[in-house]
Amino acid sequence: KAGVTQTPRYLIKTRGQQVTLSCSPISGHRSVSWYQQTPGQGLQFLFEYFSETQRNKGNFPGRFSGRQFSNSRSEMNVSTLELGDSALYLCASSSGQGGQPQHFGDGTRLSIL
Amino acid sequence: AQKVTQAQTEISVVEKEDVTLDCVYETRDTTYYLFWYKQPPSGELVFLIRRNSFDEQNEISGRYSWNFQKSTSSFNFTITASQVVDSAVYFCALSEAFSNTDKLIFGTGTRLQVFP
Repeated sequence: KAGVTQTPRYLIKTRGQQVTLSCSPISGHRSVSWYQQTPGQGLQFLFEYFSETQRNKGNFPGRFSGRQFSNSRSEMNVSTLELGDSALYLCASSSGQGGQPQHFGDGTRLSIL
Repeated sequence: AQKVTQAQTEISVVEKEDVTLDCVYETRDTTYYLFWYKQPPSGELVFLIRRNSFDEQNEISGRYSWNFQKSTSSFNFTITASQVVDSAVYFCALSEAFSNTDKLIFGTGTRLQVFP
């Protein structure tokens, strides 16, 4: 069974630009969550999508948005990039039934210059 | 509010030593799930174990064992006879059981370095 696939693995952007990250969940998983990992803040929950609907959201500004498609694939978008957005962005998928283990991708490392 | 505390920032051991990683959690829920994940240098978070709040039995899987104690709100992880391949950052996490989400609340992680 294929794991969670995130693309791209690495991205370099400059301040003010926008970026879109992609995540393909494990086949059959309907929930996709996104997390930001930084040395200072650790692992922080961004949002969770289930059946194309956002059902939970973390405490991040509106510049961070996402969506989920009918095949459960998800994208995350960050607009007007700031230096502080440099981080490892991790996507995780699960069955979505509450309290289920999340399985993570390798992440996208975003660097803002 | 829910919170997970991993007080040990970094632990260094020599191969074959036993090591215990501590995890203390806070929640007002009576039903919840606890998890441990391993993050090797490659970056991917690898799921190790899930335990629900009603199951206080300790679990052993090879060299890994977990001690869940509701009385002290702790879910500690022990690696017996550590190996160099165990070097990684280990995260403890908490999830609500009856809410409509799989959201995880993570601790700050413990970096384990195992030297040959």
